Amino acid sequence: RKEVEQDPGPFNVPEGATVAFNCTYSNSASQSFFWYRQDCRKEPKLLMSVYSSGNEDGRFTAQLNRASQYISLLIRDSKLSDSATYLCVVKSGNTGKLIFGQGTTLQVKP
Amino acid sequence: DGGITQSPKYLFRKEGQNVTLSCEQNLNHDAMYWYRQDPGQGLRLIYYSQIVNDFQKGDIAEGYSVSREKKESFPLTVTSAQKNPTAFYLCASSRGTENTEAFFGQGTRLTVV
Repeated sequence: RKEVEQDPGPFNVPEGATVAFNCTYSNSASQSFFWYRQDCRKEPKLLMSVYSSGNEDGRFTAQLNRASQYISLLIRDSKLSDSATYLCVVKSGNTGKLIFGQGTTLQVKP
Repeated sequence: DGGITQSPKYLFRKEGQNVTLSCEQNLNHDAMYWYRQDPGQGLRLIYYSQIVNDFQKGDIAEGYSVSREKKESFPLTVTSAQKNPTAFYLCASSRGTENTEAFFGQGTRLTVV
């Protein structure tokens, strides 16, 4: 079983739609959680950190459920510019390893 | 400007040769990481270092080697033992403490010819 798992998609949605991505992790000692965005042939860039209480940044909302070991990302009012691959990232508290999921591809269509 | 720099951006290598990829950061970060990404795939961890003069194997370390002699630098050598080295290599750094994100360099595309 992979340490961090995501549905690779692709998710094809119309502009204005709300879309949600989930990610599960296997190591209960995981300490920190993030969502990154990666555009084609570019390096990943931080979208947002994920806190236990949940957090929101504009149209983006991230949630963490430690009991069930999953993280979610909700994108409201999708824009064409949201088209990208979204990577779930988990940092181990024991080893400091930073582990990426395989990414979920989002395509927003006009 | 503060940041993390990888060089070169594109690299071609003949089969059987070793090659070293450079990664330098001036962010004063303790932790540094090397990842490999294949087309349509996620990032896989090769090696990581939490502190100078110390590093650990990631999930796919075979055929690779690293050093961490300086805080700012974490070079990756792709050896001839790596059976399928053609890939996109990404270096990252972070402060290393809880809830601190990693920042990436622009990556090096290695092609074995």
